[in-house]
Amino acid sequence: LAKTTQPISMDSYEGQEVNITCSHNNIATNDYITWYQQFPSQGPRFIIQGYKTKVTNEVASLFIPADRKSSTLSLPRVSLSDTAVYYCLVGFSGNTPLVFGKGTRLSVIA
Amino acid sequence: GAGVSQSPRYKVAKRGQDVALRCDPISGHVSLFWYQQALGQGPEFLTYFQNEAQLDKSGLPSDRFFAERPEGSVSTLKIQRTQQEDSAVYLCASSHRGGSRNEQFFGPGTRLTVL
Repeated sequence: LAKTTQPISMDSYEGQEVNITCSHNNIATNDYITWYQQFPSQGPRFIIQGYKTKVTNEVASLFIPADRKSSTLSLPRVSLSDTAVYYCLVGFSGNTPLVFGKGTRLSVIA
Repeated sequence: GAGVSQSPRYKVAKRGQDVALRCDPISGHVSLFWYQQALGQGPEFLTYFQNEAQLDKSGLPSDRFFAERPEGSVSTLKIQRTQQEDSAVYLCASSHRGGSRNEQFFGPGTRLTVL
């Protein structure tokens, strides 16, 4: 499975847009890019998944350039409740083990 | 709609004790995963079931760790002769069969502390 690299931590003020970039230089042709969010004392929660270009849902947007060697999770107008750890994962199927890195710890400040 | 549930939420064990951690996946989910999460780290894969079959146990750290899912629904992770390094949060996740998305639904975890 492709290794991912993302910043260890980020700070943001409430109401700002937050962009977290993940590098995955060795992504395979069949790999999807998936982001999970984890709050303290909870299990990770699926946020968004994409294969190429742009994907948007009610929570976030995911931007993937043509070479797919990186991706950017965009959170619009963050609030204090968005304070969490965000994990970027690369893989194919929901029926295979997920490989998490250390994630990006996002702290939203009032 | 109930999600994945785990029990107990917290477990304190003395070194050398055996523990059993339970996972109730979402009804109808064929795939079930166990992960271990140390403090400040991302979850790490332990083992994977499809129905009652344990298809991958490559992540189990030692032969003291044993998992089962006898009827293809509830799963139990057992740790024998617990050691301090076993202290972690144990997460269970389930997913649809044949799902193309990497969407696994996680429970809240069991925090194990070995004294």
